[in-house]
Amino acid sequence: GAGVSQTPSNKVTEKGKYVELRCDPISGHTALYWYRQSLGQGPEFLIYFQGTGAADDSGLPNDRFFAVRPEGSVSTLKIQRTERGDSAVYLCASSLNPTNEQFFGPGTRLTVL
Amino acid sequence: KQEVTQIPAALSVPEGENLVLNCSFTDSAIYNLQWFRQDPGKGLTSLLLIQSSQREQTSGRLNASLDKSSGRSTLYIAASQPGDSATYLCAARTSGTYKYIFGTGTRLKVLA
Repeated sequence: GAGVSQTPSNKVTEKGKYVELRCDPISGHTALYWYRQSLGQGPEFLIYFQGTGAADDSGLPNDRFFAVRPEGSVSTLKIQRTERGDSAVYLCASSLNPTNEQFFGPGTRLTVL
Repeated sequence: KQEVTQIPAALSVPEGENLVLNCSFTDSAIYNLQWFRQDPGKGLTSLLLIQSSQREQTSGRLNASLDKSSGRSTLYIAASQPGDSATYLCAARTSGTYKYIFGTGTRLKVLA
């Protein structure tokens, strides 16, 4: 079956611009996670959704970052007033429920110039 | 606060060798631990998931063990192949949370 998909695969933007990153989880998966991975590092947790609600957003670095999952399926990570330090690969993962293994998408590589 | 460490950071072995990758975590109250593989420029591929009540899991040439008391997990790869070359990441989920804390990975190169 289809895995987790993320669009776009690459995004180049200028400092100060607004970006949206999309994640399509595996069908039927209720839990959805966003992580951020910098070069040479392991992924860092950003936010976790159970259904439509953000159950844990403790990893969001500041209020420029926001994520939604309005219908409990697709999720969008939104970054306002992008900074060069936001450049990273943004990974999305989903699991059938919070206790199951997480399956990751291919990521979106964000470059802020 | 959970911290995950992976040693070594990089490893190069000849084809056919058995090898062990190490993962240590600071908070033994983990719910589960998952091993992943990441190829350059790609996302993460799940290899094995070990629940806190389990001591090990096996899949093909891979075997992962978990020792909560010592804060360690190992990934054993038997008869390594060049296609095993990748970065291997372990991630621990602490009880009462739903997020994974990742190590920085071990970059494995298997030489033909």
